[in-house]
Amino acid sequence: DSGVTQTPKHLITATGQRVTLRCSPRSGDLSVYWYQQSLDQGLQFLIHYYNGEERAKGNILERFSAQQFPDLHSELNLSSLELGDSALYFCASSVGPNNSPLHFGNGTRLTVT
Amino acid sequence: DQQVKQNSPSLSVQEGRISILNCDYTNSMFDYFLWYKKYPAEGPTFLISISSIKDKNEDGRFTVFLNKSAKHLSLHIVPSQPGDSAVYFCAASAKTSYDKVIFGPGTSLSVIP
Repeated sequence: DSGVTQTPKHLITATGQRVTLRCSPRSGDLSVYWYQQSLDQGLQFLIHYYNGEERAKGNILERFSAQQFPDLHSELNLSSLELGDSALYFCASSVGPNNSPLHFGNGTRLTVT
Repeated sequence: DQQVKQNSPSLSVQEGRISILNCDYTNSMFDYFLWYKKYPAEGPTFLISISSIKDKNEDGRFTVFLNKSAKHLSLHIVPSQPGDSAVYFCAASAKTSYDKVIFGPGTSLSVIP
């Protein structure tokens, strides 16, 4: 058990809809990262927050947004969903902002129909 | 543009033998490298890392070798055990953006009893 909690585990929704994925980091970790894993692809970095502030952005679509709250949990919001957004979304946390090994949750599997 | 490449999607090894997983990178700014292991229905877990100031790092049965001139690293598992069967991801980050960890597509290792 990594100590990172992601909810929900599975999500099925229709195109055009909006969903929110939630992540609680390990106790004591200040950094939260979001990754997307599509079929047959590696983990694509989306965004990183450290202690409530956005630190880095990867290939995150404009339809996607995230935030980290004062209690350090994070939410990833996906809107105007398309079939291609179907993927596993992983959250990871680490102690510091740099070079700390990431601790991953078990992911949220999103299916857009 | 895939900055971290794992050209072998899969690998099969007999129990007790050595497993060698390879990884190549294109970004010369990368100076910190990590390996993660992933079991089905779980998130990746950190295995071992290496900084560019070293060419080898060892942790029990796992050793990572780094060849900076060739932009190549490898993970050696000796001896391989059936419980090592998993997907292995190579990852890298750069001094200029340590919080942006870039993952390769993964290699699926099967250790045959």
